[in-house]
Amino acid sequence: ETGVTQTPRHLVMGMTNKKSLKCEQHLGHNAMYWYKQSAKKPLELMFVYNFKEQTENNSVPSRFSPECPNSSHLFLHLHTLQPEDSALYLCASSQDYGGTGPLNTEAFFGQGTRLTVV
Amino acid sequence: AQRVTQPEKLLSVFKGAPVELKCNYSYSGSPELFWYVQYSRQRLQLLLRHISRESIKGFTADLNKGETSFHLKKPFAQEEDSAMYYCALSGSSQGGSEKLVFGKGTKLTVNP
Repeated sequence: ETGVTQTPRHLVMGMTNKKSLKCEQHLGHNAMYWYKQSAKKPLELMFVYNFKEQTENNSVPSRFSPECPNSSHLFLHLHTLQPEDSALYLCASSQDYGGTGPLNTEAFFGQGTRLTVV
Repeated sequence: AQRVTQPEKLLSVFKGAPVELKCNYSYSGSPELFWYVQYSRQRLQLLLRHISRESIKGFTADLNKGETSFHLKKPFAQEEDSAMYYCALSGSSQGGSEKLVFGKGTKLTVNP
């Protein structure tokens, strides 16, 4: 599949488990993002990676740990989550041309991983 | 701080009627505004961006800096327009990196 692929699509985990979400993009982009989509809340930006370097951590609890081994892959490692962490986690990528200023290129999203913490 | 407000959580219109999805933003700099759409069981995707000044699927959106708004409009709604619509703003964070901030979304239902 071309574009942005996320696995797994659905995940149920206990509060003591450790799991990882995976995101892969085949678009040649150099910026990747994790978003959280909870019910009744707007899409929340969690992490931003530009050229494999983390450039944004939006006050995310340490039980969420991102990893970007290369510009095509992005992981979100999960451990000791809480039930309120249940949400849809979306990965996105874009072509970041560097420098400061607003993002003027399109962000491509994966289908998301529906996470349920029990 | 960057903020996007979509005041309507739900919007229901009849086929052929005009539709307007409201979006207001707060940003101290010069923003880039977008509308994203998510159809049922599909991924979130870009609908249009203000810098392109284009019409996609009959939708248009004009950036009004005086009113800090970026409302999405279509003169004649179609049933296939039923979807979740998100307004988004792109700006620089304090660290200088770019980020995309979304509104809460508006669920549009077009009735036959």
